[in-house]
Amino acid sequence: DTGVSQDPRHKITKRGQNVTFRCDPISEHNRLYWYRQTLGQGPEFLTYFQNEAQLEKSRLLSDRFSAERPKGSFSTLEIQRTEQGDSAMYLCASSPQGSNQPQHFGDGTRLSIL
Amino acid sequence: EDKVVQSPLSLVVHEGDTVTLNCSYEVTNFRSLLWYKQEKKAPTFLFMLTSSGIEKKSGRLSSILDKKELFSILNITATQTGDSAVYLCAVYTQGGSEKLVFGKGTKLTVNP
Repeated sequence: DTGVSQDPRHKITKRGQNVTFRCDPISEHNRLYWYRQTLGQGPEFLTYFQNEAQLEKSRLLSDRFSAERPKGSFSTLEIQRTEQGDSAMYLCASSPQGSNQPQHFGDGTRLSIL
Repeated sequence: EDKVVQSPLSLVVHEGDTVTLNCSYEVTNFRSLLWYKQEKKAPTFLFMLTSSGIEKKSGRLSSILDKKELFSILNITATQTGDSAVYLCAVYTQGGSEKLVFGKGTKLTVNP
């Protein structure tokens, strides 16, 4: 399977704990995106990378959230001091560089905060 | 603020019916519109539309864009139970942003 891969698939944690998610994009794609999706809503953009550079961040990305893509391949999204409102599906997508490229999504990491 | 609105939010049909899903948008500097199908996991890409009036077709699914009236429709003919999913509409805007702005989706249920 050469699609976008996310790990873990599910994460349950207590409020106040830190969590980290990983995304491996399609190998030839140099753009990588993070979105958050809650029940009954479409995905909401969080941030995106072109190679290792983080080029855009949403206002949704509070200072408790940090994303990295150190070698321009896989990416991690860390949430510090988790809150109840962080419960959601975190989706990663990738695309080739260039205008109007479709983004291809992974299966997501479902985060539940107890 | 950029906005994408889908209607209806949910729809229940019988196998064999034809359905039309709607997507309207209010965005600064439209670039393209995309349709995705989301079953329980990853949204999977269906179509990208950039020009008005040109129909994109794949099997029983087709889609068209009207840039003057700022909307798109997704048609599914001879529906099957496997078409049951949430259909998401998303828009790319100009101005250096590479984010997709999504609507809430239309939940389609096809009953046998």
